[in-house]
Amino acid sequence: DTEVTQTPKHLVMGMTNKKSLKCEQHMGHRAMYWYKQKAKKPPELMFVYSYEKLSINESVPSRFSPECPNSSLLNLHLHALQPEDSALYLCASSQDGVRASNQPQHFGDGTRLSIL
Amino acid sequence: DQQVKQNSPSLSVQEGRISILNCDYTNSMFDYFLWYKKYPAEGPTFLISISSIKDKNEDGRFTVFLNKSAKHLSLHIVPSQPGDSAVYFCAASRDDKIIFGKGTRLHILP
Repeated sequence: DTEVTQTPKHLVMGMTNKKSLKCEQHMGHRAMYWYKQKAKKPPELMFVYSYEKLSINESVPSRFSPECPNSSLLNLHLHALQPEDSALYLCASSQDGVRASNQPQHFGDGTRLSIL
Repeated sequence: DQQVKQNSPSLSVQEGRISILNCDYTNSMFDYFLWYKKYPAEGPTFLISISSIKDKNEDGRFTVFLNKSAKHLSLHIVPSQPGDSAVYFCAASRDDKIIFGKGTRLHILP
């Protein structure tokens, strides 16, 4: 059982749709992450939230909009996506929000997104 | 330009023998290294990590070795078990940035 829960597991959407990916953890972790993973590629960091504040945006296009409503929840709002945005989107969390990368991350099982 | 390289896409090892997975990196500023294991349809699971101030860290059947001068780390699994069959990702970090390698698929043969 993963301790980081992502919903939905699968999502198919058109290029004009607006949808959101959700991530939840109840481990008291203070850093949360979004990654994008294409087939046969490594996970690529998109965003880092540390103590509910956006600390890293890896030059992600504005059609991806992250939101951290509280310390347990992380959303990724999607709008006007392109077919090349089809990928597995992984959420992760780590315990401490300071120097978050120097800690193990707990990953969810991901949302597989397909853009038609 | 890949900063973290796992040059072997796959590796097959007999059950009970040692599995050695290798990883090279190019950025000498990385100060923390991690190994993750991934089964199909699941997210990566943290296995073991090592700080750049150490050269070895051991946890049960898993040992990670770091050679800073060669910018090389390796994961040793001994003895290898059937449940170890998975994709293994090496990752390196600095500040809040983490870079993953492409992964090595490990097959444990009966």
